Amino acid sequence: DAGVTQSPTHLIKTRGQQVTLRCSPISGHKSVSWYQQVLGQGPQFIFQYYEKEERGRGNFPDRFSARQFPNYSSELNVNALLLGDSALYLCASSRGGLLSGNTIYFGEGSWLTVV
Amino acid sequence: KQEVTQIPAALSVPEGENLVLNCSFTDSAIYNLQWFRQDPGKGLTSLLLIQSSQREQTSGRLNASLDKSSGRSTLYIAASQPGDSATYLCAVLAYSGAGSYQLTFGKGTKLSVIP
Repeated sequence: DAGVTQSPTHLIKTRGQQVTLRCSPISGHKSVSWYQQVLGQGPQFIFQYYEKEERGRGNFPDRFSARQFPNYSSELNVNALLLGDSALYLCASSRGGLLSGNTIYFGEGSWLTVV
Repeated sequence: KQEVTQIPAALSVPEGENLVLNCSFTDSAIYNLQWFRQDPGKGLTSLLLIQSSQREQTSGRLNASLDKSSGRSTLYIAASQPGDSATYLCAVLAYSGAGSYQLTFGKGTKLSVIP
């Protein structure tokens, strides 16, 4: 089975632009989470979706939004990009929700550089 | 607000040595604790998950312990190998309010195993 796939792998955007990052979970997984990882730091939780409903939101501004589609894939949107949004954006999937104790699988991430 | 601290930030050991990585968290009301491994520029790989009711978990050469009351966990790696070189991240799952749960990560310990 394919792992968690994310696209694009690398992208460069200009301040003020908007970006959409995509994630396809492992087949059969219904939970998707998004994380931001700045160089040298641990991942910071952004959103969690389970069964197409938002189940958790981290401490990020409203410029960040996400959704989960009927096939359980997900998109993360960031508007009005700032230099500080430059980071590795990680998507993770699991069969059940966060409380299920199921193993969490991460994708390779999308590297976003804002110039 | 939950905070997770990992000490040391970096560790270098000769091949074959046993080693311990430390993780501490400020709020003991956690649901579970997980250890992940991250190779440079890559996503995270789940190593061990300890439920709040458990004291330890083992997988091969890895053993993780949890002392919830003192807010501490350790990851023990036996007979270290050069392939163990990576950054090890600790994360705790806890209630974050408004009906949602959040995974909070430490900054990680960068391990180098010297042949």
